[in-house]
Amino acid sequence: DTGVSQNPRHKITKRGQNVTFRCDPISEHNRLYWYRQTLGQGPEFLTYFQNEAQLEKSRLLSDRFSAERPKGSFSTLEIQRTEQGDSAMYLCASSSPRGSRTYEQYFGPGTRLTVT
Amino acid sequence: AQTVTQSQPEMSVQEAETVTLSCTYDTSESDYYLFWYKQPPSRQMILVIRQEAYKQQNATENRFSVNFQKAAKSFSLKISDSQLGDAAMYFCAYSPHRDDKIIFGKGTRLHILP
Repeated sequence: DTGVSQNPRHKITKRGQNVTFRCDPISEHNRLYWYRQTLGQGPEFLTYFQNEAQLEKSRLLSDRFSAERPKGSFSTLEIQRTEQGDSAMYLCASSSPRGSRTYEQYFGPGTRLTVT
Repeated sequence: AQTVTQSQPEMSVQEAETVTLSCTYDTSESDYYLFWYKQPPSRQMILVIRQEAYKQQNATENRFSVNFQKAAKSFSLKISDSQLGDAAMYFCAYSPHRDDKIIFGKGTRLHILP
């Protein structure tokens, strides 16, 4: 098992463009979380999935943000009409292996977005 | 609203010494989960230690231990025998349920002096 992976690792985009990030969780993990981390701050929760169902969205997640997890495997986070304030590290985490009572969240390396 | 506060933006400790990082939190729940995460420079976040609020005994993991004071809503991390590899950002974190979103503090950057 190679852990949580995220692609791309870095993304530079111009204001107003759309971007999409991908997260591949640890296989057999039911839950998948997205967080955003700005410089000098702790991660902030954005949304999470139980299998393919999106169970909660933060008020931080404006209408320009959308996340999916088709088939309960990988997940994508799309930001439409990017703004400079969207510049941040976007972190993905997964947890809850099927049949296990453990609940530790394992984090990916993140995707660093820079909006110019 | 649930919040996590880390009042020490940076700390330094001599290698092999002991250091304590502070954390307070606010919640109206009686059952919840507390964590300390470590984020090394340019590396991903990893869990250091966790504490279930219903357990009175303080959690320990090798050189890492916590002082959990439920009434005071305090959750400090003690690192014994500090090593150069301990240098990182440390985040105190709270979760209202066993497998749920995590609310993080702003972090404490720990420097290890050789």
